[in-house]
Amino acid sequence: DTEVTQTPKHLVMGMTNKKSLKCEQHMGHRAMYWYKQKAKKPPELMFVYSYEKLSINESVPSRFSPECPNSSLLNLHLHALQPEDSALYLCASSQTGTAGRGNSPLHFGNGTRLTVT
Amino acid sequence: GNSVTQMEGPVTLSEEAFLTINCTYTATGYPSLFWYVQYPGEGLQLLLKATKADDKGSNKGFEATYRKETTSFHLEKGSVQVSDSAVYFCALNTNAGKSTFGDGTTLTVKP
Repeated sequence: DTEVTQTPKHLVMGMTNKKSLKCEQHMGHRAMYWYKQKAKKPPELMFVYSYEKLSINESVPSRFSPECPNSSLLNLHLHALQPEDSALYLCASSQTGTAGRGNSPLHFGNGTRLTVT
Repeated sequence: GNSVTQMEGPVTLSEEAFLTINCTYTATGYPSLFWYVQYPGEGLQLLLKATKADDKGSNKGFEATYRKETTSFHLEKGSVQVSDSAVYFCALNTNAGKSTFGDGTTLTVKP
């Protein structure tokens, strides 16, 4: 069982819809991440929250809006997406993230499979 | 910048065969190195890690040694099983905490 929980598992949305992806971890990790993964490709970093503050935004379009309500929760708000945004969205956490020495591994959830129609 | 180069796949082996997946890296400073595995329909899971030169990471019969002189972190397993079929990603972290992933290698093990 994964220790990072993502909901929903699958999401189909139209280009005018607004939806949110949710992620939760209870390992006491202080860094949380959103990644986007296309088929047969490695994950691409979108956002990093370190100690509940946004520390990295990898030039992601504004139709993706992250939110970190507390140290255990991470949301990704979606609005006016395009079909090319269809992908697997992975949440991850790590002990120290950008504040650390880099030796903390990432703990991933099983992702939300997003289809934009 | 940092980069990770993995052996191109897909790799197809018979059960009980020896596995090697090559991984080399370019990085400034002293990165930590990781292997992650992704089973179908799941997220990535940490398989093993090494945080300094000459460290050997091991887990579930898989091993990899951090070789600074050859900037490599090759993954090996002596006898693969059908259940090892998955995509394997080599990755590095720097002090900035950002991970750099290789392109992934798909392994299929046939009975």
